[in-house]
Amino acid sequence: QQPVQSPQAVILREGEDAVINCSSSKALYSVHWYRQKHGEAPVFLMILLKGGEQKGHEKISASFNEKKQQSSLYLTASQLSYSGTYFCGTRSQAGTALIFGKGTTLSVSS
Amino acid sequence: GAVVSQHPSWVICKSGTSVKIECRSLDFQATTMFWYRQFPKQSLMLMATSNEGSKATYEQGVEKDKFLINHASLTLSTLTVTSAHPEDSSFYICSASLIAGGPYEQYFGPGTRLTVT
Repeated sequence: QQPVQSPQAVILREGEDAVINCSSSKALYSVHWYRQKHGEAPVFLMILLKGGEQKGHEKISASFNEKKQQSSLYLTASQLSYSGTYFCGTRSQAGTALIFGKGTTLSVSS
Repeated sequence: GAVVSQHPSWVICKSGTSVKIECRSLDFQATTMFWYRQFPKQSLMLMATSNEGSKATYEQGVEKDKFLINHASLTLSTLTVTSAHPEDSSFYICSASLIAGGPYEQYFGPGTRLTVT
């Protein structure tokens, strides 16, 4: 079942923060976040496993609330390079295919 | 890091012809490969899951006779679009999972853009 992402689109100026949410009605094994630029394949950002995780890299972090089956991606002090479409992919079991949400388009301007 | 390649990067073909797309895991062995399709401004939609040496599992609504998937080895899977039509024009992306390892990360190839005229 496809996870639900919100918001659909975000417009930011450089330096501003954003939060993108991903929720599922099914129990999840893992949540994966990707960023895709136009015409390119998705680029892996991070993975969060069941059990409740939080992790980050530089100014991008994410959390996974297992009880609520929700994950959030936090983009801090956004840069122009953050522009793109962000997808969350979810797995209900280890080893199965990722099912992707509809994506959140992030536009960062100077 | 794990690298997945696809060939070709793009292809333009005439309606009614068949097109083969290759997906290779370059520096690891992949037990499972996945094929996705993405239409403009839409999400990635899973088409099928293939395991080496066995028949692919297709998602509901995907015609197995039209989209032939062969996973001949632990490093190669192919998708053949048979009798292609303009509505098959799309961005096809494969991904592969490592054999061992905890989180079963999926590594994506760069994608193949198919245009059927």
